[in-house]
Amino acid sequence: KAGVTQTPRYLIKTRGQQVTLSCSPISGHRSVSWYQQTPGQGLQFLFEYFSETQRNKGNFPGRFSGRQFSNSRSEMNVSTLELGDSALYLCASSWTGTGNYEQYFGPGTRLTVT
Amino acid sequence: SQKIEQNSEALNIQEGKTATLTCNYTNYSPAYLQWYRQDPGRGPVFLLLIRENEKEKRKERLKVTFDTTLKQSLFHITASQPADSATYLCAPADTNAGKSTFGDGTTLTVKP
Repeated sequence: KAGVTQTPRYLIKTRGQQVTLSCSPISGHRSVSWYQQTPGQGLQFLFEYFSETQRNKGNFPGRFSGRQFSNSRSEMNVSTLELGDSALYLCASSWTGTGNYEQYFGPGTRLTVT
Repeated sequence: SQKIEQNSEALNIQEGKTATLTCNYTNYSPAYLQWYRQDPGRGPVFLLLIRENEKEKRKERLKVTFDTTLKQSLFHITASQPADSATYLCAPADTNAGKSTFGDGTTLTVKP
C-alpha cells in the first residue's frame, strides 16, 4: 500500500507570496490532518479534514486554509507569507481521524520564506 | 490549558540498556495515548497506541504504560540499539475526532 505523499518536497518563497501544498493520503483513509513543525514550537496542529469537511482547527491565523477533495486528497494554502511561516509542513492520514487510530505521516514539505 | 510535557530534551544511554521516556499531561483526560518516532527531516512514524483502560502494552522491545491517575505515560525501549536513536513524541488524544496534540519530544541517543 502506498504511503502518504506530499508535494512539493521543498519550496522557497518570498515574503508576501502565497503557497499551496498538496497531500495524497493512504488509499481508504478519509481523514487528513496538517501540522506545522518548527524547532522552537514543535509539532503544531493546523486543521483536520474528514469527508471534505473541516472538522477541527488549531490556533493559526486565517492566512492558513485548506480543503479536501472527494478522493480525500488535501491541499493547504498559506497566503501573505511571513518569515515565521518557514517550517516543515506535515500531513497525516488516518482511517477516521479519531484518537483510536494511528496517523500515517508524509515526508513533509520544507517551506523557506525569504 | 492543555499541556504535555516530555522528559528532558535529550536522553543519552549506552547500547543494551533500557531507555525510559516520560510523557506527562495536564488539564485533560485523554482516552488514548499514542507514541511516535521521528528521525531528522522525516515525518513521525506511529509506534504504539494505548487506551485508558489498558495499563500496559508491548510490541517487541517496546513497552508503554498509561497511568490515568498520575496523568502519565512511560515509554520503554529494552535492549536499546544505536538504531533506536531518534526523537520520540507522545500524543494523548480523546474521543473528539481529529485533533491531536503532540509533546515536544525526547531525543534519544544510544551510544555503542
